[in-house]
Amino acid sequence: GNSVTQMEGPVTLSEEAFLTINCTYTATGYPSLFWYVQYPGEGLQLLLKATKADDKGSNKGFEATYRKETTSFHLEKGSVQVSDSAVYFCALSDRNNQGGKLIFGQGTELSVKP
Amino acid sequence: ETGVTQSPTHLIKTRGQQVTLRCSSQSGHNTVSWYQQALGQGPQFIFQYYREEENGRGNFPPRFSGLQFPNYSSELNVNALELDDSALYLCASSLLGGSGNTIYFGEGSWLTVV
Repeated sequence: GNSVTQMEGPVTLSEEAFLTINCTYTATGYPSLFWYVQYPGEGLQLLLKATKADDKGSNKGFEATYRKETTSFHLEKGSVQVSDSAVYFCALSDRNNQGGKLIFGQGTELSVKP
Repeated sequence: ETGVTQSPTHLIKTRGQQVTLRCSSQSGHNTVSWYQQALGQGPQFIFQYYREEENGRGNFPPRFSGLQFPNYSSELNVNALELDDSALYLCASSLLGGSGNTIYFGEGSWLTVV
């Protein structure tokens, strides 16, 4: 079945460091891919998405490129801030489903120190 | 702000009791999904409702049930609560048949079963 695997956390970085959180997926067909962020005590917020191969999603300085050849959707940011501290979830959606059912990775906790 | 609202935000129930959680979808969305997020885990898909009918279900027992109303709001009901049901329950709304395949989450309802 479909699945998502993320790098384990926690990831601890200093402010202004470069961030990479790895995400790989297994899916039949051509899923849509997402990154969601969850701040402490809150629900999930959509960070970015990509719906087809080679698409790049971007938002708030974060980027991720849909790589079909490596089945990956790694999250990157050039310079992290303390306010980026949160848990990040990679997810996929079966395109045929057109929304609703997402399969999530286990989440990667990011802690950014001043 | 996603436009998806959930209530209550926190509640405590005793093992064996029943609970009802409520969700108001984002305006214009016709599909609602429910997820269970245990502490330190990624969200797990419970089920999805479209046009007041269940439209897909994850690996959850029948004591998890739901309703969708004509105004697209929704309820999640859990009977015979077990300690392992303690989790954050997330509601998500989307537009089935629309473009973009974006799913928006509410802030969640924290359920503690004692």
